[in-house]
Amino acid sequence: QVHLVQSRAEVKKPGASVKISCKSSGYIFTDFAVHWVRQAPGQRLEWMGWITSGNGNGESSQNFQDRVIITRDTSATTDYVELSSLTSEDTAVYYCARGYSSGWLEFDYWGQGTLVTVSS
Amino acid sequence: DIQLTQSPSFLSASVGDRVTITCRASQGISSFLAWYQQKPGKAPKLLIYGASTLQSGVPSRFSGSGSGTDFTLTISSLQPEDFATYYCQQLNSYPRTFGQGTKLEI
Repeated sequence: QVHLVQSRAEVKKPGASVKISCKSSGYIFTDFAVHWVRQAPGQRLEWMGWITSGNGNGESSQNFQDRVIITRDTSATTDYVELSSLTSEDTAVYYCARGYSSGWLEFDYWGQGTLVTVSS
Repeated sequence: DIQLTQSPSFLSASVGDRVTITCRASQGISSFLAWYQQKPGKAPKLLIYGASTLQSGVPSRFSGSGSGTDFTLTISSLQPEDFATYYCQQLNSYPRTFGQGTKLEI
């Protein structure tokens, strides 16, 4: 069975960074991309970036102004997202999701979510 | 960025009703559209991809249609477990974007 298991909740101060992990199991890790999506309280889902299948290149949305770094440890079947220069607006639940690299490119399995709270 | 606008944002319905949610894209996205269901405190669940293909394990009362800029999600006969928030997502270009959601209430 496919599983994506994320790291636990974090509380951070403004200006700090946070790094969240997403461990995948139950499938050939390098055959799929992994995407990162966040959801602030009461808000819509917001795509942050992805790491490609195969060579595992990380790319982030320009909407985050270079604050996002996405990396992969293939040997550990784990992906990471790091978000820097945190503000209260970054308080959200962060999800990883497995994405197809061909066909209709849908996100078929999701992690359970990691709550990040930014507060002084 | 491609904008997705869902309507309605809130929908009240009863068990057994047929409901339709629409999603309009700001530019053509072929059939690169997915629908997700999200319940409070849970991750989104994939329902439909490629605008009309039912994800494995999803009940057949869910269906999707459309291409280009206009899409619909239909639930043919609402069940109690269907009361949730529904999101459309475009997968045609980066950044991937989502609609604002439709909250389906009893």
